[in-house]
Amino acid sequence: SQELEQSPQSLIVQEGKNLTINCTSSKTLYGLYWYKQKYGEGLIFLMMLQKGGEEKSHEKITAKLDEKKQQSSLHITASQPSHAGIYLCGADSGGSSYDKVIFGPGTSLSVIP
Amino acid sequence: DAGIIQSPKHEVTEMGQTVTLRCEPIFGHNFLFWYRDTFVQGLELLSYFRSRSIIDNAGMPTERFSAERPDGSFSTLKIQPAEQGDSAVYVCASRHRSEYGYTFGSGTRLTVV
Repeated sequence: SQELEQSPQSLIVQEGKNLTINCTSSKTLYGLYWYKQKYGEGLIFLMMLQKGGEEKSHEKITAKLDEKKQQSSLHITASQPSHAGIYLCGADSGGSSYDKVIFGPGTSLSVIP
Repeated sequence: DAGIIQSPKHEVTEMGQTVTLRCEPIFGHNFLFWYRDTFVQGLELLSYFRSRSIIDNAGMPTERFSAERPDGSFSTLKIQPAEQGDSAVYVCASRHRSEYGYTFGSGTRLTVV
């Protein structure tokens, strides 16, 4: 079965600093999702990547899927306290089970003002 | 659009009791997912539905867990009888058949004492 790993497990950065979170899959990724989780607010969809080499940006957050489609990175530029939360990568498991998503363990981000 | 509605938001119950969690998905979303977030193992997929049919419930931890979606709209997750190890946040998600991107509820925080 497919497994996702995320690194680092947790991150504390000073406001204004850049940071990167990585997500690695044990199998080829058919669809890679990035979500942000805040307690009491549910999971917030950030971006979805499908094609090798694809890169998407939303405000100060950029996500990229590598050419081999087994690794994705999420980069935040000039971090702000509002970026704090748990970032989860999720993946379509592919094949006949394309409609379900499995998640990595998450990366906890704290931004110090 | 009120988003996904999960009820109750918090539930405290005693061991041995029956717990029923409810999820109202986004109108028109035929895929519905139940996840459990123990904050130790991350988000685990318990089961999911396409319309009223269970597609996969292999993630249900034991036979004490059951999920239904009788008319293809709302769903219930029942734990009978509840045990202390069931304490977690139970998250519901839904997706439209022809769209990518999942919508997640805020979850129900279950505490079994």
